[in-house]
Amino acid sequence: NAGVTQTPKFRVLKTGQSMTLLCAQDMNHEYMYWYRQDPGMGLRLIHYSVGEGTTAKGEVPDGYNVSRLKKQNFLLGLESAAPSQTSVYFCASSYVATGVAFFGQGTRLTVV
Amino acid sequence: AQSVTQLDSHVSVSEGTPVLLRCNYSSSYSPSLFWYVQHPNKGLQLLLKYTSAATLVKGINGFEAEFKKSETSFHLTKPSAHMSDAAEYFCVVSLHQAGTALIFGKGTTLSVSS
Repeated sequence: NAGVTQTPKFRVLKTGQSMTLLCAQDMNHEYMYWYRQDPGMGLRLIHYSVGEGTTAKGEVPDGYNVSRLKKQNFLLGLESAAPSQTSVYFCASSYVATGVAFFGQGTRLTVV
Repeated sequence: AQSVTQLDSHVSVSEGTPVLLRCNYSSSYSPSLFWYVQHPNKGLQLLLKYTSAATLVKGINGFEAEFKKSETSFHLTKPSAHMSDAAEYFCVVSLHQAGTALIFGKGTTLSVSS
């Protein structure tokens, strides 16, 4: 019973490098989300998707891109990492917009 | 526009005393409201949710919250704190609209002393 799985769990990047975070859910949820968590800021929405092939910007989308080619996967990309993107990233999914969201365990990203 | 404000960034209580974590929301529409808990270095777990049924909502681990539309509040309470309740708590709002996402408050850190 996997739920929401994020890979990798930890990563250190150099400034300017690129990477992709993968989120996979096995609950057939329509909605998927990427958040970043910083001390004192709560979770801020980066991008989200309301279904396969669709994406939308959240509160803090700059410097990130996403894709949802398959319903079960939601990818978050950093094209040119910056130290300001050092954060803990959480993926979540829900069946409907107002439904309970299930979260992954998080990815701790450090950009040096 | 919708938003959620957690009125206290840090709350400290003694074990066995009541817990009150305050949350106010603003929304043009009838919202769904949630409380999530995050223990250190862990993911987020749902405590309880309000979706326009009973205004007093009971959650896990003895927590409950009351939706007060007139005060636009959704405060989280527990009669008697336990050491294991020490964590960060997030109030979350969602609209009854397709194409929207969950909006988080900035969180309240609950400390419990013996």
